[in-house]
Amino acid sequence: DTGVSQDPRHKITKRGQNVTFRCDPISEHNRLYWYRQTLGQGPEFLTYFQNEAQLEKSRLLSDRFSAERPKGSFSTLEIQRTEQGDSAMYLCASSLGLGEQFFGPGTRLTVL
Amino acid sequence: GDSVTQMEGPVTLSEEAFLTINCTYTATGYPSLFWYVQYPGEGLQLLLKATKADDKGSNKGFEATYRKETTSFHLEKGSVQVSDSAVYFCALSDRNTGNQFYFGTGTSLTVIP
Repeated sequence: DTGVSQDPRHKITKRGQNVTFRCDPISEHNRLYWYRQTLGQGPEFLTYFQNEAQLEKSRLLSDRFSAERPKGSFSTLEIQRTEQGDSAMYLCASSLGLGEQFFGPGTRLTVL
Repeated sequence: GDSVTQMEGPVTLSEEAFLTINCTYTATGYPSLFWYVQYPGEGLQLLLKATKADDKGSNKGFEATYRKETTSFHLEKGSVQVSDSAVYFCALSDRNTGNQFYFGTGTSLTVIP
């Protein structure tokens, strides 16, 4: 068990560009969550999947954000037309059903 | 909606001092409560949890008791060490509402020798 992994760990982009992050959950986990953490704040829930179905999206997830989990395994989070306010740490977590969530190391996004 | 209010920091203590970090919550259902720790440059790690009222979670000398009457889950440690320096997050999740976490804003702890 290698834990939850995220790629890339760091991303620097210019305003207006699109970025995509990947999360690989623990292999047998059917639930996958995305969170965003800004400096000095706690993580905020964005969305979650059960298998390949996206079951809930926070109002924080604007139309520029889209998440997928096409085969119920890894997930991608895409941000289109990035803005400086999107700069944050993006965290992924996974769980087996309603069990304990395990967090990945996060992807730190900086929008210039 | 569900939310967590956490004692603001930063907190600076001398080694072997007593630690308390306050956390109160608001929830519509019957949440589970957690403390997570984030060491510099690392991801979130579960420190302890409690799933129902009056449960006490404990780990590495840290303790927190789920108090439904005061809607609180305060973190305590009797004697902190330099290695405890980190950011601590209180969180709740509710199985009836998707089980996603609601986190507090975090409390930065620095322990000086």
